[in-house]
Amino acid sequence: GAGVSQSPSNKVTEKGKDVELRCDPISGHTALYWYRQSLGQGLEFLIYFQGNSAPDKSGLPSDRFSAERTGGSVSTLTIQRTQQEDSAVYLCASSLVTGVDGYTFGSGTRLTVV
Amino acid sequence: QKEVEQNSGPLSVPEGAIASLNCTYSDRGSQSFFWYRQYSGKSPELIMFIYSNGDKEDGRFTAQLNKASQYVSLLIRDSQPSDSATYLCAVSLTGNQFYFGTGTSLTVIP
Repeated sequence: GAGVSQSPSNKVTEKGKDVELRCDPISGHTALYWYRQSLGQGLEFLIYFQGNSAPDKSGLPSDRFSAERTGGSVSTLTIQRTQQEDSAVYLCASSLVTGVDGYTFGSGTRLTVV
Repeated sequence: QKEVEQNSGPLSVPEGAIASLNCTYSDRGSQSFFWYRQYSGKSPELIMFIYSNGDKEDGRFTAQLNKASQYVSLLIRDSQPSDSATYLCAVSLTGNQFYFGTGTSLTVIP
């Protein structure tokens, strides 16, 4: 597609449920990133994929968070047993190489855990 | 210690004035520096990136980098109401991971 596509745009879930967030990067972009942005906070790095290399998971806040990228394209971020502190906007970004010229962000998924 | 620090503002400037946004970073090994603009409820969009000391100009925007002082700034000339947004500074060591500041809120008053 022309841009980074994320779905759903909004998700309300009950505490303790699992959620899956999807990101479809710009065609041909080999690097894919997940960030989250809480109200009044900066962007927090979660995970980075580059091609077929092992992902950089150093930003995942707990083992309830996981992500995969199938076929070097679409990525899914999974949050298990959601907690209220997981409420945030989850942003996906992609770039041609390792972000040296900056990322292009998707429009985000607003997750609300009630 | 925060990696990237910005004054949260809000910064208010009159239409037509120069808006100056500042950012400091802690890691001297940082190689790449970026400014993103984020409108309320929208995702960040890249405005400029700079790698070398000095100034880089693009239209009404000028990025300034001083690695010795670990300081990067964004100047917006002839500010317009449409420039009202939050401006995020981002710093990268390797390109794999960006560290973002919390952003400066800018309001341009007509």
